[in-house]
Amino acid sequence: SQTIHQWPATLVQPVGSPLSLECTVEGTSNPNLYWYRQAAGRGLQLLFYSVGIGQISSEVPQNLSASRPQDRQFILSSKKLLLSDSGFYLCAWSGDSTWDEQFFGPGTRLTVL
Amino acid sequence: AQKITQTQPGMFVQEKEAVTLDCTYDTSDPSYGLFWYKQPSSGEMIFLIYQGSYDQQNATEGRYSLNFQKARKSANLVISASQLGDSAMYFCAMREGGTGNQFYFGTGTSLTVIP
Repeated sequence: SQTIHQWPATLVQPVGSPLSLECTVEGTSNPNLYWYRQAAGRGLQLLFYSVGIGQISSEVPQNLSASRPQDRQFILSSKKLLLSDSGFYLCAWSGDSTWDEQFFGPGTRLTVL
Repeated sequence: AQKITQTQPGMFVQEKEAVTLDCTYDTSDPSYGLFWYKQPSSGEMIFLIYQGSYDQQNATEGRYSLNFQKARKSANLVISASQLGDSAMYFCAMREGGTGNQFYFGTGTSLTVIP
């Protein structure tokens, strides 16, 4: 069966510090991968998605970036965090078909102070 | 225009009663999938149920069913026999066949089950 891992679960970082969140998927190959951010009490904001190694689509221009160095690894990064980067970050994967659902990781709660 | 609209920010239901959470969608693509997710206070997103645009029958998964009205472009989630553990945020989402890779989410409905 497929599983998706995200770490860390929680993170407190000062403004201006770098960020690296990692997501890995097991039990499937060539998944579509996604990064979302969710502000408290709000909906999901798609940040990046990837259909293959090295292929990244950005939905929101900001100080965040994403990379996919391996087929089942997706990394979200920032060189300098802003206060507005605080939120709940969710990684997800899906198959290629229109009929394939998305499966989410456990999420990372990021607080920027 | 919003791809997915959930007009109920908050809903209350008595335990053991049924509740309907509304979702309307907007697409011109004939091929699309509609999905519902549950997000409890822990934050995890749990997939509940799926409906394909070509499916003739409404999807059902245990106590969850999807009231799919294609002409009205609505995909309401029906939860029967509500339980206290059903208290959570519920999100409706759509995936289009043309673009294929993006999922469009609604703003969610907060459901509270009252004992």
